[in-house]
Amino acid sequence: DTGVSQNPRHKITKRGQNVTFRCDPISEHNRLYWYRQTLGQGPEFLTYFQNEAQLEKSRLLSDRFSAERPKGSFSTLEIQRTEQGDSAMYLCASSEGNQPQHFGDGTRLSIL
Amino acid sequence: ELKVEQNPLFLSMQEGKNYTIYCNYSTTSDRLYWYRQDPGKSLESLFVLLSNGAVKQEGRLMASLDTKARLSTLHITAAVHDLSATYFCAVDPLGGADGLTFGKGTHLIIQP
Repeated sequence: DTGVSQNPRHKITKRGQNVTFRCDPISEHNRLYWYRQTLGQGPEFLTYFQNEAQLEKSRLLSDRFSAERPKGSFSTLEIQRTEQGDSAMYLCASSEGNQPQHFGDGTRLSIL
Repeated sequence: ELKVEQNPLFLSMQEGKNYTIYCNYSTTSDRLYWYRQDPGKSLESLFVLLSNGAVKQEGRLMASLDTKARLSTLHITAAVHDLSATYFCAVDPLGGADGLTFGKGTHLIIQP
């Protein structure tokens, strides 16, 4: 069991740049979730895929954010025109059916 | 909008003592999770509580769920230093596979 894998672990970028993160879920899991966590807070739900279909998006997911899961396996989360407030830890989780979500180690985004 | 409130948010206790963390939520749910997070690490699933009156125990930790009161508790018995971490409860409001709503977390420090 390799767990949920996220890359990169840390991304530093200048305000206004675009960034893309990748998540590889546990192989047999059909559900994939993205969350954002800021310091001292719990994770906040962003979006959810079942296989390749994006089934739910939070109001936190502004137009600058887009997520894909093209073949129902790995997923990418892109943030365009990054802003200071986008600085956070971005967590990916996966699950099978109604089992608990397993989280990756996250990608920490720092906006200069 | 579902709200999940944990208390206390910070807890410093001595080894050997008992304590309880509380998690209240605002809408109907019969699916509640407890996660542990160590500094700089991802979330580790501790318990899944799926029905009213559910009780789960693992080592020195015991979790329970009262869906009528919309309350879950995480009880720590005879605390040891290794239990120092941040503990989150998370609620799935629809009982399905949608995104979880997390509390702010309880930062627990156990001193020798």
